[in-house]
Amino acid sequence: DQQVKQNSPSLSVQEGRISILNCDYTNSMFDYFLWYKKYPAEGPTFLISISSIKDKNEDGRFTVFLNKSAKHLSLHIVPSQPGDSAVYFCAASPMGGGNKLTFGTGTQLKVEL
Amino acid sequence: GAGVSQSPSNKVTEKGKDVELRCDPISGHTALYWYRQRLGQGLEFLIYFQGNSAPDKSGLPSDRFSAERTGESVSTLTIQRTQQEDSAVYLCASSLWGSGTNEQFFGPGTRLTVL
Repeated sequence: DQQVKQNSPSLSVQEGRISILNCDYTNSMFDYFLWYKKYPAEGPTFLISISSIKDKNEDGRFTVFLNKSAKHLSLHIVPSQPGDSAVYFCAASPMGGGNKLTFGTGTQLKVEL
Repeated sequence: GAGVSQSPSNKVTEKGKDVELRCDPISGHTALYWYRQRLGQGLEFLIYFQGNSAPDKSGLPSDRFSAERTGESVSTLTIQRTQQEDSAVYLCASSLWGSGTNEQFFGPGTRLTVL
């Protein structure tokens, strides 16, 4: 039972354009969401998060949007850069520090010159 | 400061052998997690330690898997009688309890290959 789904295994975008990565979830108990970025042979690194009391959180080139009614979130990267090429994982947990994360299967982003 | 470290980085073993994986969390982080990532899959939660509380073992796939943590420091994940389906990257993460976020800091992982 995949509670967090990333239906696009890969995405290719030109440098300077917008990258949009999508994530859907099914568990209504999730109310904290995170995006992690992973390079080959490295552990995932935290990128940005959002609590369910918000519908948008922005940090530099990265913005996460949350649509609770649709149980959908997205990560926007503007402008995309070649260094953004990595696997992006969406993760979710119930509110509160220290809870285990449920991850999606990841989207491989390739930013082309 | 030092991040989460894991050893070994790679481990190749024969089916049926036991393996032990080590994780050193970030100093001061009270929570420690183990995940695994099979090829082409997302990260799968295995076990979670928080201070002196009983660990959350709900993600361990079988009784061949066990983990220990000494206080708020090193943790070891042990897999007994390894099977080929145990082949995966095993990731450890730590976080600061009560930080208000669920940001977990990951180590580089141990790639386990069971022949």
